[in-house]
Amino acid sequence: KAGVTQTPRYLIKTRGQQVTLSCSPISGHRSVSWYQQTPGQGLQFLFEYFSETQRNKGNFPGRFSGRQFSNSRSEMNVSTLELGDSALYLCASSLYRSYEQYFGPGTRLTVT
Amino acid sequence: QKEVEQNSGPLSVPEGAIASLNCTYSDRGSQSFFWYRQYSGKSPELIMFIYSNGDKEDGRFTAQLNKASQYVSLLIRDSQPSDSATYLCAETTGANNLFFGTGTRLTVIP
Repeated sequence: KAGVTQTPRYLIKTRGQQVTLSCSPISGHRSVSWYQQTPGQGLQFLFEYFSETQRNKGNFPGRFSGRQFSNSRSEMNVSTLELGDSALYLCASSLYRSYEQYFGPGTRLTVT
Repeated sequence: QKEVEQNSGPLSVPEGAIASLNCTYSDRGSQSFFWYRQYSGKSPELIMFIYSNGDKEDGRFTAQLNKASQYVSLLIRDSQPSDSATYLCAETTGANNLFFGTGTRLTVIP
Protein backbone atom coordinates (compact mmCIF):
# COMPACT_ATOMS: atom_id res chain seq x y z
CA LYS A 1 0.00 0.00 0.00
CA ALA A 2 1.40 3.39 -0.93
CA GLY A 3 2.28 5.76 1.86
CA VAL A 4 1.38 9.37 2.40
CA THR A 5 2.52 11.56 -0.46
CA GLN A 6 3.17 15.28 -0.36
CA THR A 7 3.80 17.72 -3.15
CA PRO A 8 5.88 19.62 -3.81
CA ARG A 9 8.85 18.30 -1.86
CA TYR A 10 10.76 21.57 -1.95
CA LEU A 11 9.58 25.12 -2.39
CA ILE A 12 11.24 28.52 -2.32
CA LYS A 13 9.02 31.56 -1.95
CA THR A 14 9.46 35.25 -1.26
CA ARG A 15 8.06 37.13 1.72
CA GLY A 16 4.52 38.26 1.13
CA GLN A 17 3.68 35.50 -1.33
CA GLN A 18 1.29 32.66 -0.65
CA VAL A 19 1.79 28.93 -1.00
CA THR A 20 -0.37 25.83 -1.29
CA LEU A 21 0.87 22.41 -0.21
CA SER A 22 -0.82 19.15 -1.07
CA CYS A 23 -1.17 15.86 0.78
CA SER A 24 -2.59 12.53 -0.37
CA PRO A 25 -3.25 10.17 2.54
CA ILE A 26 -2.76 6.42 2.63
CA SER A 27 -5.57 4.74 0.72
CA GLY A 28 -8.56 4.31 3.01
CA HIS A 29 -7.37 6.79 5.60
CA ARG A 30 -9.90 9.47 6.31
CA SER A 31 -8.13 11.75 8.75
CA VAL A 32 -5.36 14.14 7.78
CA SER A 33 -3.33 16.28 10.17
CA TRP A 34 -0.72 18.90 9.36
CA TYR A 35 2.39 19.74 11.36
CA GLN A 36 5.18 22.27 11.15
CA GLN A 37 8.71 21.29 12.11
CA THR A 38 11.44 23.83 12.81
CA PRO A 39 14.77 23.48 14.64
CA GLY A 40 13.67 25.98 17.28
CA GLN A 41 10.08 24.89 17.97
CA GLY A 42 10.19 21.24 17.01
CA LEU A 43 7.08 19.52 15.68
CA GLN A 44 3.92 21.56 16.17
CA PHE A 45 0.35 20.70 15.28
CA LEU A 46 -1.34 22.94 12.73
CA PHE A 47 -4.78 21.43 12.10
CA GLU A 48 -6.71 18.24 11.53
CA TYR A 49 -9.31 17.36 8.93
CA PHE A 50 -11.79 14.53 8.95
CA SER A 51 -14.73 14.11 6.60
CA GLU A 52 -13.90 17.40 4.89
CA THR A 53 -14.26 19.33 8.17
CA GLN A 54 -11.59 20.94 10.29
CA ARG A 55 -11.86 19.17 13.63
CA ASN A 56 -8.99 20.69 15.53
CA LYS A 57 -6.63 23.63 15.16
CA GLY A 58 -3.28 24.42 16.71
CA ASN A 59 -1.99 27.77 17.87
CA PHE A 60 -1.09 29.29 14.50
CA PRO A 61 -2.24 32.58 12.96
CA GLY A 62 -5.11 32.75 10.52
CA ARG A 63 -2.63 32.97 7.63
CA PHE A 64 -2.46 29.20 7.90
CA SER A 65 -5.50 27.46 6.50
CA GLY A 66 -6.43 24.16 4.97
CA ARG A 67 -9.12 22.04 3.49
CA GLN A 68 -9.96 18.45 2.75
CA PHE A 69 -11.63 17.06 -0.30
CA SER A 70 -14.15 14.26 -0.60
CA ASN A 71 -11.37 11.79 -1.54
CA SER A 72 -9.58 12.69 1.75
CA ARG A 73 -6.80 14.54 -0.03
CA SER A 74 -5.88 17.73 1.78
CA GLU A 75 -4.27 21.04 1.03
CA MET A 76 -2.85 23.67 3.31
CA ASN A 77 -2.34 27.29 2.39
CA VAL A 78 -0.11 29.91 3.91
CA SER A 79 -0.76 33.48 2.90
CA THR A 80 1.47 36.53 3.27
CA LEU A 81 4.55 34.43 3.90
CA GLU A 82 7.03 35.50 6.55
CA LEU A 83 10.66 34.45 6.99
CA GLY A 84 9.65 32.52 10.10
CA ASP A 85 7.39 30.29 8.02
CA SER A 86 10.45 28.53 6.66
CA ALA A 87 10.03 24.99 7.89
CA LEU A 88 9.35 21.38 7.04
CA TYR A 89 5.59 20.93 6.67
CA LEU A 90 4.44 17.42 7.40
CA CYS A 91 1.17 15.77 6.67
CA ALA A 92 0.05 12.68 8.57
CA SER A 93 -2.87 10.40 7.88
CA SER A 94 -4.76 7.94 10.02
CA LEU A 95 -7.61 5.54 9.41
CA TYR A 96 -9.93 7.41 11.72
CA ARG A 97 -9.49 10.01 14.42
CA SER A 98 -7.52 8.84 17.45
CA TYR A 99 -5.75 6.17 15.43
CA GLU A 100 -2.04 5.95 14.72
CA GLN A 101 -0.76 8.63 12.37
CA TYR A 102 1.67 8.01 9.53
CA PHE A 103 3.71 10.86 8.15
CA GLY A 104 4.48 11.79 4.58
CA PRO A 105 7.95 12.89 3.44
CA GLY A 106 7.17 16.54 4.02
CA THR A 107 7.46 19.74 2.03
CA ARG A 108 10.46 21.89 2.82
CA LEU A 109 9.46 25.53 2.45
CA THR A 110 12.08 28.25 2.34
CA VAL A 111 10.95 31.85 2.51
CA THR A 112 13.47 34.46 1.37
CA GLN B 1 0.55 24.43 29.67
CA LYS B 2 0.85 20.97 28.18
CA GLU B 3 4.39 19.61 28.22
CA VAL B 4 6.10 16.50 26.93
CA GLU B 5 9.64 16.32 28.18
CA GLN B 6 12.43 14.22 26.80
CA ASN B 7 16.12 14.13 27.56
CA SER B 8 17.61 15.80 24.48
CA GLY B 9 20.72 13.68 24.73
CA PRO B 10 22.71 12.81 22.85
CA LEU B 11 22.46 9.29 24.19
CA SER B 12 25.26 7.01 23.11
CA VAL B 13 25.20 3.24 23.54
CA PRO B 14 27.49 0.51 22.17
CA GLU B 15 26.18 -1.84 19.53
CA GLY B 16 24.26 -4.72 21.08
CA ALA B 17 23.38 -2.83 24.27
CA ILE B 18 19.93 -1.73 25.47
CA ALA B 19 19.01 1.87 24.74
CA SER B 20 16.51 3.42 27.15
CA LEU B 21 14.59 6.51 26.09
CA ASN B 22 12.34 8.33 28.53
CA CYS B 23 9.47 10.75 28.31
CA THR B 24 7.28 12.48 30.89
CA TYR B 25 4.05 14.32 30.20
CA SER B 26 2.04 16.86 32.12
CA ASP B 27 -1.53 16.31 30.93
CA ARG B 28 -3.32 13.65 32.98
CA GLY B 29 -5.95 13.53 30.24
CA SER B 30 -3.45 12.12 27.76
CA GLN B 31 -4.76 8.86 26.42
CA SER B 32 -2.41 7.58 23.76
CA PHE B 33 1.33 7.66 23.41
CA PHE B 34 3.53 7.24 20.38
CA TRP B 35 7.20 6.80 19.64
CA TYR B 36 8.50 8.05 16.32
CA ARG B 37 11.96 7.66 14.88
CA GLN B 38 13.33 10.42 12.68
CA TYR B 39 16.49 10.08 10.66
CA SER B 40 18.27 13.28 9.71
CA GLY B 41 16.53 14.91 6.77
CA LYS B 42 13.62 12.48 6.84
CA SER B 43 10.09 12.54 8.21
CA PRO B 44 9.05 10.84 11.47
CA GLU B 45 8.40 7.11 11.25
CA LEU B 46 5.98 5.48 13.71
CA ILE B 47 7.64 2.63 15.58
CA MET B 48 5.44 2.04 18.64
CA PHE B 49 2.18 3.15 20.19
CA ILE B 50 0.74 2.34 23.59
CA TYR B 51 -2.61 3.10 25.18
CA SER B 52 -2.71 1.00 28.35
CA ASN B 53 -0.54 0.86 31.43
CA GLY B 54 2.20 -1.74 31.27
CA ASP B 55 4.56 -2.99 28.62
CA LYS B 56 4.08 -3.52 24.92
CA GLU B 57 6.67 -5.41 22.93
CA ASP B 58 7.32 -5.40 19.18
CA GLY B 59 10.49 -7.11 18.08
CA ARG B 60 13.48 -5.35 19.61
CA PHE B 61 11.30 -2.51 20.88
CA THR B 62 9.39 -2.33 24.17
CA ALA B 63 7.21 0.60 25.14
CA GLN B 64 6.32 1.09 28.79
CA LEU B 65 3.53 3.30 30.10
CA ASN B 66 2.85 4.34 33.67
CA LYS B 67 -0.10 6.73 33.77
CA ALA B 68 0.10 7.24 37.53
CA SER B 69 3.64 8.54 37.17
CA GLN B 70 2.92 10.19 33.79
CA TYR B 71 5.86 8.41 32.33
CA VAL B 72 6.42 6.56 29.06
CA SER B 73 9.61 4.91 27.90
CA LEU B 74 11.04 3.05 24.93
CA LEU B 75 13.60 0.30 25.25
CA ILE B 76 15.60 -0.82 22.23
CA ARG B 77 17.28 -4.18 22.74
CA ASP B 78 20.34 -5.30 20.78
CA SER B 79 20.86 -1.76 19.49
CA GLN B 80 22.20 -1.48 15.96
CA PRO B 81 24.01 1.40 14.24
CA SER B 82 20.91 1.72 12.03
CA ASP B 83 18.96 2.68 15.18
CA SER B 84 20.94 5.93 15.36
CA ALA B 85 18.31 8.63 14.96
CA THR B 86 16.22 11.12 16.90
CA TYR B 87 13.38 9.51 18.83
CA LEU B 88 10.26 11.58 19.35
CA CYS B 89 7.71 10.94 22.06
CA ALA B 90 4.18 12.16 21.34
CA GLU B 91 0.86 12.09 23.14
CA THR B 92 -2.74 12.87 22.35
CA THR B 93 -5.82 13.36 24.45
CA GLY B 94 -7.97 11.57 21.91
CA ALA B 95 -8.13 13.76 18.86
CA ASN B 96 -5.62 13.74 16.04
CA ASN B 97 -3.47 16.51 17.45
CA LEU B 98 -0.23 14.90 18.49
CA PHE B 99 1.82 16.87 21.00
CA PHE B 100 5.51 16.12 20.59
CA GLY B 101 8.52 16.29 22.82
CA THR B 102 11.72 17.80 21.49
CA GLY B 103 13.25 14.39 20.83
CA THR B 104 16.25 12.41 22.05
CA ARG B 105 19.17 11.89 19.72
CA LEU B 106 20.47 8.32 19.94
CA THR B 107 23.85 7.22 18.63
CA VAL B 108 24.73 3.52 18.52
CA ILE B 109 28.48 3.06 18.43
CA PRO B 110 29.72 0.05 16.39
